[in-house]
Amino acid sequence: KQEVTQIPAALSVPEGENLVLNCSFTDSAIYNLQWFRQDPGKGLTSLLLIQSSQREQTSGRLNASLDKSSGRSTLYIAASQPGDSATYLCAVRNFNKFYFGSGTKLNVKP
Amino acid sequence: DAGVIQSPRHEVTEMGQEVTLRCKPISGHDYLFWYRQTMMRGLELLIYFNNNVPIDDSGMPEDRFSAKMPNASFSTLKIQPSEPRDSAVYFCASSLMETQYFGPGTRLLVL
Repeated sequence: KQEVTQIPAALSVPEGENLVLNCSFTDSAIYNLQWFRQDPGKGLTSLLLIQSSQREQTSGRLNASLDKSSGRSTLYIAASQPGDSATYLCAVRNFNKFYFGSGTKLNVKP
Repeated sequence: DAGVIQSPRHEVTEMGQEVTLRCKPISGHDYLFWYRQTMMRGLELLIYFNNNVPIDDSGMPEDRFSAKMPNASFSTLKIQPSEPRDSAVYFCASSLMETQYFGPGTRLLVL
């Protein structure tokens, strides 16, 4: 069974810092990987989707990379802002199964 | 589009009662997902549909849970009878071309 792990569980950084969130998975036979953001009391918002044939995707200050062979993905956030404070989750699709990590709670201090 | 719509937003019920959660996906989306989120277990996929057909229901915890999608614009998740351990936030999501769009969730409390 696929296991998705996100470390650290929580991260606190000062505003303006560049940061990297990590996601690892045990089964490299993935179909795609998706990064989500969840604000308190809200549903998830999709940030980036990487297909298995792709190495990275970019949207504004966000860049997500995928290394299937090592079972890793990273979400890079440039010039962090207090508004980036949220929980970030990664999700992996294996054929017709979906697996979510437990998330990294990010706090960006003004 | 209004996004994924879920109702009710909050539900408080007593153990043993039937609970029905409702979801309206984004028009044109062909996948619909039901999730449950708790502090202890995180986000769990319960069941998902493609073109109104259930594809994977292996996440449905037990026979007390059932889900239906009678047409492309409506789905229900039913719990009968409900138990205190069913207390959680239940999310519905829909997708077209892989990106999932989540609803605001239904916060369920079973006393």
